[in-house]
Amino acid sequence: SQQGEEDPQALSIQEGENATMNCSYKTSINNLQWYRQNSGRGLVHLILIRSNEREKHSGRLRVTLDTSKKSSSLLITASRAADTASYFCATDVQGGSEKLVFGKGTKLTVNP
Amino acid sequence: EPEVTQTPSHQVTQMGQEVILRCVPISNHLYFYWYRQILGQKVEFLVSFYNNEISEKSEIFDDQFSVERPDGSNFTLKIRSTKLEDSAMYFCASSEPRLDTQYFGPGTRLTVL
Repeated sequence: SQQGEEDPQALSIQEGENATMNCSYKTSINNLQWYRQNSGRGLVHLILIRSNEREKHSGRLRVTLDTSKKSSSLLITASRAADTASYFCATDVQGGSEKLVFGKGTKLTVNP
Repeated sequence: EPEVTQTPSHQVTQMGQEVILRCVPISNHLYFYWYRQILGQKVEFLVSFYNNEISEKSEIFDDQFSVERPDGSNFTLKIRSTKLEDSAMYFCASSEPRLDTQYFGPGTRLTVL
């Protein structure tokens, strides 16, 4: 897989359920960021987790990072219809580059 | 909360024309970026800019592209002679410090006819 690949590609759940999205990457990183994008709109930053962190919380969001497996997960608890969007992970590449490398994203649909 | 802003939200142009996309990064940020997203594809890095210089650019960012910080607040992306394949959503982003959260603007949808 390429740097910053999410799975599943699409996820459909009922309101109130939890949604888990995964991201894998290939190279060593300084940090990993999760973004959300509503259809055709801008990228909204959700959370940044650094390579020396294992877990981070923000409201209903929980992000984990396993650098040994080069993977991260984003958990959205008690989902709402308004959480319907595409979710992307983005990684930098350790070694001085500032560019973010994005995956193809997970398209989450939360049904009311 | 401070935001990155971009204008215009939608630009339609004829092939071969020059376009300038404008961005106002968050005011105390020093690192600026342009990315693009072709419809249905990944967000791709174009260029990063710091201290009035390009610090990194991708293969996409060829001689047709240029960036500028013409004053203390604006950051622009110019495409000199647009091609059909330049049609995409263009996002500006800024960060401070370096290698920290990149905050993205709402994007400019460029349509080249």
